[in-house]
Amino acid sequence: GAGVSQTPSNKVTEKGKYVELRCDPISGHTALYWYRQSLGQGPEFLIYFQGTGAADDSGLPNDRFFAVRPEGSVSTLKIQRTERGDSAVYLCASSRDGISGNTIYFGEGSWLTVV
Amino acid sequence: QKEVEQNSGPLSVPEGAIASLNCTYSDRGSQSFFWYRQYSGKSPELIMSIYSNGDKEDGRFTAQLNKASQYVSLLIRDSQPSDSATYLCAVNMISYSGTYKYIFGTGTRLKVLA
Repeated sequence: GAGVSQTPSNKVTEKGKYVELRCDPISGHTALYWYRQSLGQGPEFLIYFQGTGAADDSGLPNDRFFAVRPEGSVSTLKIQRTERGDSAVYLCASSRDGISGNTIYFGEGSWLTVV
Repeated sequence: QKEVEQNSGPLSVPEGAIASLNCTYSDRGSQSFFWYRQYSGKSPELIMSIYSNGDKEDGRFTAQLNKASQYVSLLIRDSQPSDSATYLCAVNMISYSGTYKYIFGTGTRLKVLA
């Protein structure tokens, strides 16, 4: 696609529920990133995919968070047993590849509210 | 020490003035540096990238890099009210897998007063 597409744009869920957030990167981009951004903070790195594999998942806060990218294109971020502290904007970004210097392009984000 | 540090602001400048935004980073091996602008409720958009020591100019924007001091800055000349936004510094750092990931600072909120 022309840009990074994220769905849903907004999600309200109850504490304890399971949530999936989807990201469709720019066509041809092999590198895909997930970030989380809370109010007044910068984007916090969660996980980075190069192709189908997670090249770096050091930012995932705990084992309730998991992400997949089975065919090297669309990625899904999965959050189990959601907590109120998970409320944030989840940003997906992609770049042509994982080489240093490539620009990353962000989607519009998925706004998650856990009530 | 945070990997990428910025003053959160807000930084207030009058219209037409020069706004100076600063960023320091911890990883001496970092090679690529980016400035993003983020309007409230929107996603970050790239303003400039810089890879070599010195200055890089693009219109009203100038990025400055000093790798020895681990310091990168952004100057905005002739600031306009439409420049009011949060400016995010991003640094490309090598990850444990040998690939690169982008680490962001907390951002500096800029207010340009008309």
